[in-house]
Amino acid sequence: GQNIDQPTEMTATEGAIVQINCTYQTSGFNGLFWYQQHAGEAPTFLSYNVLDGLEEKGRFSSFLSRSKGYSYLLLKELQMKDSASYLCAAMDSNYQLIWGAGTKLIIKP
Amino acid sequence: GAVVSQHPSWVICKSGTSVKIECRSLDFQATTMFWYRQFPKQSLMLMATSNEGSKATYEQGVEKDKFLINHASLTLSTLTVTSAHPEDSSFYICSAESGISYNEQFFGPGTRLTVL
Repeated sequence: GQNIDQPTEMTATEGAIVQINCTYQTSGFNGLFWYQQHAGEAPTFLSYNVLDGLEEKGRFSSFLSRSKGYSYLLLKELQMKDSASYLCAAMDSNYQLIWGAGTKLIIKP
Repeated sequence: GAVVSQHPSWVICKSGTSVKIECRSLDFQATTMFWYRQFPKQSLMLMATSNEGSKATYEQGVEKDKFLINHASLTLSTLTVTSAHPEDSSFYICSAESGISYNEQFFGPGTRLTVL
């Protein structure tokens, strides 16, 4: 079957760095997405990886290893506003997104 | 970036009534629209996929007669929750795909439905 695994919750300190891991198993693969979702709001797009390696975008970076079925989202210089859930989603061969349950990130001062 | 709107943002209704939620792509034509449901502290659950002018494809376990989806144009899809019951209370989110830019989905702001 198809499956996405990511930690349920993580805690980090303001100004620090945090890495949120995601492993996936899908029928075919057409890319890995990361979304940010604040409580009570819809997800907003953060990143897309389809090739192996690291994609950097400001304070956020995303990494993909297709051979390992693994991705991570790296957040640097954490700010209080980064407190949110981070959703990992893999696109299968039918271009359908398979969603993880999300990682709730708590930032402490 | 592409903008997707949803209306209403929140709705409270009595059990047994029907509720219609609209999803619009404001500055692009959406070849495909998706409807998701999200319960508290859970991830998004895909309910159905709709393509303009054709019948929606429902995920397993989603009743097509209860959740009516109409995708009449390339910029509008509607979800009607018929005979709503308290267990239908949830956060309903639509997304739209333009067919370009690696099939990225652009999400609407969501509709919070509370059925009394």
